[in-house]
Amino acid sequence: AQSVTQLGSHVSVSEGALVLLRCNYSSSVPPYLFWYVQYPNQGLQLLLKYTSAATLVKGINGFEAEFKKSETSFHLTKPSAHMSDAAEYFCAVSVSRDDKIIFGKGTRLHILP
Amino acid sequence: EPEVTQTPSHQVTQMGQEVILRCVPISNHLYFYWYRQILGQKVEFLVSFYNNEISEKSEIFDDQFSVERPDGSNFTLKIRSTKLEDSAMYFCASSETGTGYNEQFFGPGTRLTVL
Repeated sequence: AQSVTQLGSHVSVSEGALVLLRCNYSSSVPPYLFWYVQYPNQGLQLLLKYTSAATLVKGINGFEAEFKKSETSFHLTKPSAHMSDAAEYFCAVSVSRDDKIIFGKGTRLHILP
Repeated sequence: EPEVTQTPSHQVTQMGQEVILRCVPISNHLYFYWYRQILGQKVEFLVSFYNNEISEKSEIFDDQFSVERPDGSNFTLKIRSTKLEDSAMYFCASSETGTGYNEQFFGPGTRLTVL
């Protein structure tokens, strides 16, 4: 069975500072990994996804994530936080034979002025 | 840009009542999903639907739940007799193909409150 663990339910960073949201996964087969973002009163929007083509994945809004098999991690980063990045971020995993997505509990990102 | 829509945005019901949550997936998508998120908990898979039948369901999706594609555009989730613990945000999603790496597009959700 697949699962993801997100470290930290709340993360606060100053505007302009590095954003780092942590995600570790568990999967018995090669996984597909995703980061979704949810802005207030909106649905889940895909930020980026790892599908085995490249370990460093670039997404929308300046976010990127690196797949590290040895660490079973898929941490999300952004060099410089912007106020508009304040949202809830979900790490998720899927495998090729399934079409369901398994989500982590989410991390709420707060941006401090 | 095409998007998944859901109605209503908020539904309040009494315990034991039936509710139907509605979704309009993206028009050329063939795979449809329902997920739910109980307040403070993770988003959980409920069911996937393809070619007018359920392709996979979770243990949460018991006999009280059913899904239907009544016409060419809508995809509904029915809860036959709601319980307090059904209170959650329900998300509909759709994708072009049902493979694991394909993006699922999510709707804004319906917040269900069972009193």
